[in-house]
Parts: sequence; C-alpha cells; structure tokens
Amino acid sequence: DIQLTQSPSFLSASVGDRVTITCRASQGISNYLAWYQQKPGKAPKLLIYAASTLHNGVPSRFSGSGSGTEFTLTISSLQPEDFSTYYCQHLNIYPLTFGGGTKVEIK
Amino acid sequence: EVQLVQSGPEVKKPGESLKISCKGSGYSFISYYIGWVRQMPGKGLEWMGIIYPSDSNTRYSPSFQGQVTISADKSINTAYLQWSSLKASDSAMYYCARRFRAASARDAFDIWGQGTMLTVSS
Repeated sequence: DIQLTQSPSFLSASVGDRVTITCRASQGISNYLAWYQQKPGKAPKLLIYAASTLHNGVPSRFSGSGSGTEFTLTISSLQPEDFSTYYCQHLNIYPLTFGGGTKVEIK
Repeated sequence: EVQLVQSGPEVKKPGESLKISCKGSGYSFISYYIGWVRQMPGKGLEWMGIIYPSDSNTRYSPSFQGQVTISADKSINTAYLQWSSLKASDSAMYYCARRFRAASARDAFDIWGQGTMLTVSS
C-alpha cells in the first residue's frame, strides 16, 4: 500500500500568512493526488486534484504543486475561513489512502 | 443539484447488524464510483472501499476487507455500507463520496455525503 505522510501535522498561523503543507508518498504516484479541506463537524471538500488543478469555486489563494513523491498545498494569504484541517489523498492504485491531516489554527 | 444524501445517525449494540445508505441525485448514478470513508472521533480520514454501481465491482482497503460489505442498488441510485456484527470500535462518522475520473490524472472525490454517525455501545 502507498503511505502518505503529511507535515506538519499542526501549524499555527495568522491571517495573511503564507502557509505550505507537504505530502510525501511512499512511492511514486505521478500526479494522482488530491487535497481536501475539512471543517469541524462537516464533510471534507475537494480543493485540488491532479496535484495542481483547482476544483470549481475554490479561491485562487489555494495552489498545489508536485509530482512523483512530493507534493505541496500552499495558501498564499490565509483567511479566517481557511482555519481547518487539510488532507491529501492519492488516487494512483488501490487502496486510495489519505494522509494523516494538517490542522491549521489561528496564532 | 448534484448531491449524496446519507441515512441518519444510528445507535446500536455490539453484535447487531446494520446497513447505512447513500442516495445519489442530480447525476448519472451508474457512471461514477462511490467510495466510503471512516472518521473516528477526533481522528483523520480512512478510505474503506469503493463500488462502481453500474456493475457492482467493489474494492476494499485491506484494513476493512472482511469487516464490512459495500453494495449498491442502481435501480434506486443508492449505495450501502453494512456490518454483520458491530463492535464498539466501529463507532465513527461514515462518509460516502463520489469519485470522478478523467484523463491526465483528473481524479478525486468531488461530492460528499453529509455523513452518518454510528455509535455502538452496550
């Protein structure tokens, strides 16, 4: 199975900060990677797929990059509504595992 | 509107059986995979398995193989997740989600159900 390791698992940041989250795959997954945002008590929402393609309606301050085994999610200027937990997921081969999550909290 | 609507919260006793549902609407149900995801209290997302409603082809995570059964009834646009004998450790939120797939790695779970909370307690 392919393992996804997210880092950091927790980060504290201020409104307006640039934030970067990393997701590392245990083996190459080309660009079969998606990012999701989850707020407490809510279902996850798709942000990015194919490592760097923004899903419909997602603000342009979100961006994704990477290929192979290393990927990043960047929020260029953190907004109050962005304080959430973020997950990566690979869709290369079964099982389609998720990373452990990164919780972004207000400093 | 494209949506997945899940059945309501459940409270069950250990050893009981259960089947929860996920009904799709607003799109061609048989054309998209439906996956199931577990989230235990305060924990991350765990991918459980997936079904293609058109032919009921199913794949499971090794962690959940033999522990749950995923099925679908395409005549009523509904996918199911079932347990034959619940354990306290099955207490969690369960989400269904639609997988879209296209060329060039355009692949993800784009529509999610609202979740079904399961509590298993004696």
